[in-house]
Amino acid sequence: NAGVTQTPKFQVLKTGQSMTLQCAQDMNHEYMSWYRQDPGMGLRLIHYSVGAGITDQGEVPNGYNVSRSTTEDFPLRLLSAAPSQTSVYFCASSYSIGVEVTEAFFGQGTRLTVV
Amino acid sequence: AQSVTQLDSHVSVSEGTPVLLRCNYSSSYSPSLFWYVQHPNKGLQLLLKYTSAATLVKGINGFEAEFKKSETSFHLTKPSAHMSDAAEYFCVVSVSSASKIIFGSGTRLSIRP
Repeated sequence: NAGVTQTPKFQVLKTGQSMTLQCAQDMNHEYMSWYRQDPGMGLRLIHYSVGAGITDQGEVPNGYNVSRSTTEDFPLRLLSAAPSQTSVYFCASSYSIGVEVTEAFFGQGTRLTVV
Repeated sequence: AQSVTQLDSHVSVSEGTPVLLRCNYSSSYSPSLFWYVQHPNKGLQLLLKYTSAATLVKGINGFEAEFKKSETSFHLTKPSAHMSDAAEYFCVVSVSSASKIIFGSGTRLSIRP
């Protein structure tokens, strides 16, 4: 049982380049989310999804796109990388039992540097 | 809308003394609340969770938290700090109707020998 798998672990991009961060979970969770972590700001929600075909914006969605064609996969696309997108990115999945949402299960993170 | 506020960005205690990390939340519905810990250059680990059962929640490594609806608080405590507790701690709120999990800005816990 792999849990939540993120790739790559490290990436360096040049300003203006595009790339996709991959996230896959094998727990059949309905919810998936992308966060970025910056010093002193905690984890900020970029985009999230409540199921295949359904996505919505979080707190800091600008410059990022997502899609959810399957329950398992939730890739994050950087359209035109900027130095302000230098951060550590975490993908997470979770599910609900009735009205209660379980804890988030996290990937190991992707450290992205934009130069 | 749901939100969470961690009242201290940095807490420093001596080894063997109690730890208190403060968290207030805002939610229109009954929330689920969590505390996560992140050691330097590591991933996120769940410490404990509250999901409408007992208001006093026990977690791993001797941590516990009490849900106080009247005060909209979910403070994290530990009776006796250990050097290995030095880390960043995040208070997290989730509401199923909003389908979002929101993090606080974090509290860095330092332990003095």
